[in-house]
Amino acid sequence: GENVEQHPSTLSVQEGDSAVIKCTYSDSASNYFPWYKQELGKGPQLIIDIRSNVGEKKDQRIAVTLNKTAKHFSLHITETQPEDSAVYFCAASVGNSWGKFQFGAGTQVVVTP
Amino acid sequence: EAGVAQSPRYKIIEKRQSVAFWCNPISGHATLYWYQQILGQGPKLLIQFQNNGVVDDSQLPKDRFSAERLKGVDSTLKIQPAKLEDSAVYLCASSLVEGAVTEAFFGQGTRLTVV
Repeated sequence: GENVEQHPSTLSVQEGDSAVIKCTYSDSASNYFPWYKQELGKGPQLIIDIRSNVGEKKDQRIAVTLNKTAKHFSLHITETQPEDSAVYFCAASVGNSWGKFQFGAGTQVVVTP
Repeated sequence: EAGVAQSPRYKIIEKRQSVAFWCNPISGHATLYWYQQILGQGPKLLIQFQNNGVVDDSQLPKDRFSAERLKGVDSTLKIQPAKLEDSAVYLCASSLVEGAVTEAFFGQGTRLTVV
């Protein structure tokens, strides 16, 4: 079945450094890959997404890369700030299912001042 | 634009009791999802509606869980009877476009504790 693996499970970085989170997926039909940020007590919030016809996308300090051949995608956060501390989830659309997503297990990011 | 609304925010029940959660999606969103998020894990899809029809309920434990979206807008998720392992955050999400993959917007969730 479909599977999304996410690494690392925890990531501690100094303020100003970069953070990288990597995900792999198994479903070759996946064509949409969103990243969500979840703060304590809140629902996941979309921060960036990428579709399979694009290899890279950037939005200010956040970028996502996708390698369809290798079936992996990554989130890059540059110049990290304390407010970037949260749990980040990657997700991949599931085959031909409308809007069905498989989520990774999450990465707890802690940015220390 | 108002977000996805869920209630209650928190619920504590004893095992074998029943509980219901309510979700109001973003206006005009055709697709509605219920996810279960166990502590330390990513959200797991329980059921997906397209308007008032079920698209996918393959992961829904149908012996105890039920969900409906009668008028294609609000939805309720019910658990009866609850088990200890049902303790989790139940997230409702909605997305706009019918028949295409697009971003899902999540509510704040209902934290259920079964004791």
